Amino acid sequence: DAGITQSPRHKVTETGTPVTLRCHQTENHRYMYWYRQDPGHGLRLIHYSYGVKDTDKGEVSDGYSVSRSKTEDFLLTLESATSSQTSVYFCAISEGQGLPNGYTFGSGTRLTVV
Amino acid sequence: DAKTTQPPSMDCAEGRAANLPCNHSTISGNEYVYWYRQIHSQGPQYIIHGLKNNETNEMASLIITEDRKSSTLILPHATLRDTAVYYCIVGNSGGSNYKLTFGKGTLLTVNP
Repeated sequence: DAGITQSPRHKVTETGTPVTLRCHQTENHRYMYWYRQDPGHGLRLIHYSYGVKDTDKGEVSDGYSVSRSKTEDFLLTLESATSSQTSVYFCAISEGQGLPNGYTFGSGTRLTVV
Repeated sequence: DAKTTQPPSMDCAEGRAANLPCNHSTISGNEYVYWYRQIHSQGPQYIIHGLKNNETNEMASLIITEDRKSSTLILPHATLRDTAVYYCIVGNSGGSNYKLTFGKGTLLTVNP
């Protein structure tokens, strides 16, 4: 997707290891988000950021931490990966409510914890 | 955050209009209605949003009832590539609390 990239696109990791997913934007948008998507649950918000160093929890934040040290990067860290964190992770960016084009989503990171 | 209710699935014939309903009876005055869609395994894609007035863009039209308690997304001439899960979402107040909560959406299947 234009202006937003996620890395890596795919990752397999072992239970108990730390994992960091990166979301990078070139749009200078204020808001950034991490969602996970699992069968039967749809998209669920993990954490979001409303500015540099300003972050807050979403509905499924346990086991995850985030950091945003600059506008363009939003990192999601799984401190100690578990099999329940096997999922597809989507990053999204937004200028703000009511502004054109709403959220723009990245292409996703497929994470498998074995 | 206001909640939305959508039918889990709908079918539409190719070339016909697809009308996807959404109920959001608890919407508050400053909340927008957003529609997104997600084609299998891709990231969700923004379609349209509105506050009070009906809106139209190159992808779709959004009809919001006068009391704002429900809306309809209209794809005027559905194609096979419009087969996707469509999400109706109500956006909250903004500022440090601006986030969108996705439900399970409506799976629209466009049939030849």
